[in-house]
Amino acid sequence: QQQVKQSPQSLIVQKGGISIINCAYENTAFDYFPWYQQFPGKGPALLIAIRPDVSEKKEGRFTISFNKSAKQFSLHIMDSQPGDSATYFCAASLTSGSRLTFGEGTQLTVNP
Amino acid sequence: DTGVSQDPRHKITKRGQNVTFRCDPISEHNRLYWYRQTLGQGPEFLTYFQNEAQLEKSRLLSDRFSAERPKGSFSTLEIQRTEQGDSAMYLCASSVLGARETQYFGPGTRLLVL
Repeated sequence: QQQVKQSPQSLIVQKGGISIINCAYENTAFDYFPWYQQFPGKGPALLIAIRPDVSEKKEGRFTISFNKSAKQFSLHIMDSQPGDSATYFCAASLTSGSRLTFGEGTQLTVNP
Repeated sequence: DTGVSQDPRHKITKRGQNVTFRCDPISEHNRLYWYRQTLGQGPEFLTYFQNEAQLEKSRLLSDRFSAERPKGSFSTLEIQRTEQGDSAMYLCASSVLGARETQYFGPGTRLLVL
C-alpha cells in the first residue's frame, strides 16, 4: 500500500525557474513531513520539513506548502540552479523520529 | 567526517550466500534505522533501534534478515541465503531522540546478488 504518492516522476526546468513537486498522503495520523534531496551515489539529505500546524515553511529558496484538508504538500524551489539537479523525495511519519514513509521520488534536472 | 558511515559501500555476492553490512551512526545518536532502496524508488523502512533495543520491524524484513545493535553503538544487518530480489541499496540513518529529530542518512551499501 502506497501511503505517500509523489508527482511528477521527472521534471526539467530552466535555470532561474521554479520547480514544483507535489505529494499526497493517505494516513491522517501523519504529523511530520520532510523533504529529502539525493544525489547519485549518496544517501538522502534532509532539505526542509513541516508539521501540519502550519501551512507554509520557507528556508532560503525552498518552500513547503501544506494543505491539511486535502492531505497534500508540495516543495517549491525558487530560482532553480543546475546544482539543484537531484532526486527529491517527500516523506511522512507519525511522529518525528519514527519510521519515514517515502514517496517514489522526482528526478529534477535544471538546465543551464 | 562525523556523519553516518556504512561498510562496505558495494557488495557483489552469489545467490545463496550470506552477507553482513555495518553501520556506524553519528556519535551519541541513540536511534538507528535501516532502509532499503531499489532503483527508481524511495527508501523503504526495514527496522529501527533505540539504543540497543530493536523497537520496530517491517513486514519487509523476512526471516532471512537480522539486525543487531550491540551496546547501542554500531549496527549490523545480515542477510542469509541471499536472493536476486535482495539486490538493492541498503541505507542506514541515525537520529537523536528529542523534540526535533532529523534522520541523517549514510551513503548506503549497494548489494548485487548474482
